[in-house]
Amino acid sequence: AQSVSQHNHHVILSEAASLELGCNYSYGGTVNLFWYVQYPGQHLQLLLKYFSGDPLVKGIKGFEAEFIKSKFSFNLRKPSVQWSDTAEYFCAVNVWGYQKVTFGTGTKLQVIP
Amino acid sequence: DAGVTQSPTHLIKTRGQQVTLRCSPKSGHDTVSWYQQALGQGPQFIFQYYEEEERQRGNFPDRFSGHQFPNYSSELNVNALLLGDSALYLCASSQQGFSEQFFGPGTRLTVL
Repeated sequence: AQSVSQHNHHVILSEAASLELGCNYSYGGTVNLFWYVQYPGQHLQLLLKYFSGDPLVKGIKGFEAEFIKSKFSFNLRKPSVQWSDTAEYFCAVNVWGYQKVTFGTGTKLQVIP
Repeated sequence: DAGVTQSPTHLIKTRGQQVTLRCSPKSGHDTVSWYQQALGQGPQFIFQYYEEEERQRGNFPDRFSGHQFPNYSSELNVNALLLGDSALYLCASSQQGFSEQFFGPGTRLTVL
C-alpha cells in the first residue's frame, strides 16, 4: 500500500523567505502526485498536480513542485512567501489506475509579517 | 456554479447510534469520494462511488457504507458509532476517470 511522508509538521517563516516543504511517497509504480492547501476556515483546494511530462510543475499563487522519481519525492517550493500563504499543506499520491488518494499528515505553515 | 456541498455542517451523536452524511458534487462531476480527517491528520480515503457503485474502498470497517443516487449525490452512513469515529468527514467530487478532486467543507461529527 502506498504511503506519504511529510517531514515538517510545523514551519514558521518570515515574509519573503523561501519555502520548501518535503514530501516522500512509497510506491514503485506510476503515480499521480498532488499538493493541496487548506487556508484557515476554507476548503481543501488543489495547489498543483503532476500526472506526467515535465517533472517541474507550476501551480497557483507562485507555488511549484519538482517530481524526482529516483528519490520518490515531490517537494513544494515558493521563492518568497507572503503572510497570506499561512495555511496547512497536504501532499497526496494516487496510484495510476486506482481511485484511492493517500494524503500525508500535513504541514502547518505560519508566515510572520 | 455551486461547488461541492455537504450537510449537515456539524453533528453530535452518542456511541452506538447511526449517522447519515450527505454530499452534492460539483456541477458536471459524476464521481464522489469520501474521506475521514481526524484531528491533526491528513484525510483518509473511505471509498469512492461512480455509476451508483462503490469502486474502491480504503481500510474502513463495514460499519461505513455509502450510496450514490442517479443525480450523482451521495450519502455516507456510519453504524454503531464509536468515540473514534469523531472526525471531519470530507466529500470530494471529480469527473469519471481520475482527475482533480474538488473538496467540500466537510461535516464535523462528534461522538460522545
